[in-house]
Amino acid sequence: AQSVTQLDSHVSVSEGTPVLLRCNYSSSYSPSLFWYVQHPNKGLQLLLKYTSAATLVKGINGFEAEFKKSETSFHLTKPSAHMSDAAEYFCVVSAPTSGTYKYIFGTGTRLKVLA
Amino acid sequence: DAGVIQSPRHEVTEMGQEVTLRCKPISGHDYLFWYRQTMMRGLELLIYFNNNVPIDDSGMPEDRFSAKMPNASFSTLKIQPSEPRDSAVYFCASSLIRGTPLSGANVLTFGAGSRLTVL
Repeated sequence: AQSVTQLDSHVSVSEGTPVLLRCNYSSSYSPSLFWYVQHPNKGLQLLLKYTSAATLVKGINGFEAEFKKSETSFHLTKPSAHMSDAAEYFCVVSAPTSGTYKYIFGTGTRLKVLA
Repeated sequence: DAGVIQSPRHEVTEMGQEVTLRCKPISGHDYLFWYRQTMMRGLELLIYFNNNVPIDDSGMPEDRFSAKMPNASFSTLKIQPSEPRDSAVYFCASSLIRGTPLSGANVLTFGAGSRLTVL
């Protein structure tokens, strides 16, 4: 079975400081992992995805995430927050299950960026 | 590609009326998902299809909700009769599951959503 836990429901950072959004996952199979971002009153947009090519994944807008199998984590980071990063972020795990495919979403982390 | 297309973008209706939401997935995608998002309950999976066949509808809240996928390029989510508690944003998403799980081909692409308000 697959599951994903986003450890913080809300994170506040000051503009220009680093961002860390934490995600832990559980999967019986080699999973695919994703981060999605949702700006207010908008749809969900893919930020980055994990494949087997590299454990450090770079996404759009300066975000990156590191896949750590030993820690079952896929934390999202950005060196310097911008006001436009204020949004909700979802960690997602997907893998085959019972002959089909499912995407399991975390409960989301709302990022607030302070001026 | 135009992406996942949903219509209508906004719908305001009165309690008891029938509501039909529409989705056109990305051409060639073999999975289609319907989600509902509210402030109280967050993002919920309602139902998903694989090759037009419903696979799991355990998230459909009640018999008032039904979904169909008559062909690979079209799906509907119907609510009849609608109630105020159905007010939410409904998202459709599609993906192509191909190769190994780590092939990178299984990105889930979302539509812009349909905002439903039931008065």
